[in-house]
Amino acid sequence: GENVEQHPSTLSVQEGDSAVIKCTYSDSASNYFPWYKQELGKGPQLIIDIRSNVGEKKDQRIAVTLNKTAKHFSLHITETQPEDSAVYFCAASIAGSARQLTFGSGTQLTVLP
Amino acid sequence: EAQVTQNPRYLITVTGKKLTVTCSQNMNHEYMSWYRQDPGLGLRQIYYSMNVEVTDKGDVPEGYKVSRKEKRNFPLILESPSPNQTSLYFCASSLTPPGISGNTIYFGEGSWLTVV
Repeated sequence: GENVEQHPSTLSVQEGDSAVIKCTYSDSASNYFPWYKQELGKGPQLIIDIRSNVGEKKDQRIAVTLNKTAKHFSLHITETQPEDSAVYFCAASIAGSARQLTFGSGTQLTVLP
Repeated sequence: EAQVTQNPRYLITVTGKKLTVTCSQNMNHEYMSWYRQDPGLGLRQIYYSMNVEVTDKGDVPEGYKVSRKEKRNFPLILESPSPNQTSLYFCASSLTPPGISGNTIYFGEGSWLTVV
């Protein structure tokens, strides 16, 4: 089955700096890669996703890049703000698969004021 | 308001005492699933359901049961809980499987379960 590895497990950045979180996946059939943000005491929420037919996707301060050959994808957050502090999870799946998602182990991002 | 509601949110129970965690969604979603979240392991899928009366095992189904008698409800049953089932549990629902354009997976707020 699919295996997703996520690094780093913790990340601290100064407010205004950029943050990068990286994930690798094992199943070359995976073609859908979402990122989730989990705030304290809440369930994960989708923040951005990418499909394997594109290499990069941006949404304001958040971007995701995908390298299908190397089987890795990354989340980039620019101009970080304290409210970006949360746990971030990457995930992978085969689009349309009923088994849903295989998640990475999570990254605790702390943005220092 | 679109919601996935789980109950209880917090529970301490003893080994072997059967318990059920309920999950209900108000979005008429066909797909529902249960995940457990453990430190350093992320979220791992326990069971999923494609529709009423259709359920299947995820990655870590041992010690759990589910049922899907109605579209909106997907309870998680621990017949004989053990300490290694102490975890944070999330129910999730979506209209279609992930990766379909426009689809969003909605997660509940989580249920903290401690088995002593």
